[in-house]
Amino acid sequence: KNEVEQSPQNLTAQEGEFITINCSYSVGISALHWLQQHPGGGIVSLFMLSSGKKKHGRLIATINIQEKHSSLHITASHPRDSAVYICAVNPLSGGSNYKLTFGKGTLLTVNP
Amino acid sequence: DSGVTQTPKHLITATGQRVTLRCSPRSGDLSVYWYQQSLDQGLQFLIQYYNGEERAKGNILERFSAQQFPDLHSELNLSSLELGDSALYFCASSVVGAPSTDTQYFGPGTRLTVL
Repeated sequence: KNEVEQSPQNLTAQEGEFITINCSYSVGISALHWLQQHPGGGIVSLFMLSSGKKKHGRLIATINIQEKHSSLHITASHPRDSAVYICAVNPLSGGSNYKLTFGKGTLLTVNP
Repeated sequence: DSGVTQTPKHLITATGQRVTLRCSPRSGDLSVYWYQQSLDQGLQFLIQYYNGEERAKGNILERFSAQQFPDLHSELNLSSLELGDSALYFCASSVVGAPSTDTQYFGPGTRLTVL
C-alpha cells in the first residue's frame, strides 16, 4: 500500500462544477503539499498545509491531521483548471524529514 | 516562470551512456531537490542538497550521482543508462530546504529518453 493515496484517479467535470480531490496518508507528517501539473509537464506548488484550511482564489485546501486526510476543492471550475493534481507529504521521522512522498495524482478534465 | 532553470529540455541517448542534467535554483534559494517522474512510478524524490552539502537521499540508484556547486547550481549525473531510466527529471529549489515549512519551486524538467 502506498503511503499516499489519492482519489479519484481521474475526474471529468463540466465548467462551473464544484470539484473535490482527496488525499489519504498513512504516516505522521510535518506538512502536506498540493501540486498542480499541467500538460507539458510544469509543476506548480499550490498549497502547503500543516493544519486547518487555506484558500487561494477558487482553490481551497483542508487537512485533518487526526484522520490523516486532506482535500483540495475547486469552486466554479474552469477548463484552465484541467491538470494533474498531486498530493505530497513530508513524513515526520525515520530520517525522512527532508523528503516528500507523492501520491500518483488525480487527472482533472474540465469540459466547457 | 518559477525562476528555476533546467537544461537541457530534452535528451535522447542510448543504453549504457552517461548524461548530465543541470539545474540553477531561484536567486536566494540554498536548497536543490531532484525528482524523477515516470509513467508507472509517478514522482519520486531522488536527492536533496543544501548550500553545497548533501542533506537527504531518496530512491536514487547507485548509477546516479549529484552535486551542488559553490554558485548553488546542481548537476545530476546518470550513468550506465538503461531503458527504464527514461523519465522526466525535475529539479526544485527552496530557501532553506525544509519541506515542513518551505514552498518548493519546480523547474520545467528534462525529458530523458533512453533508446
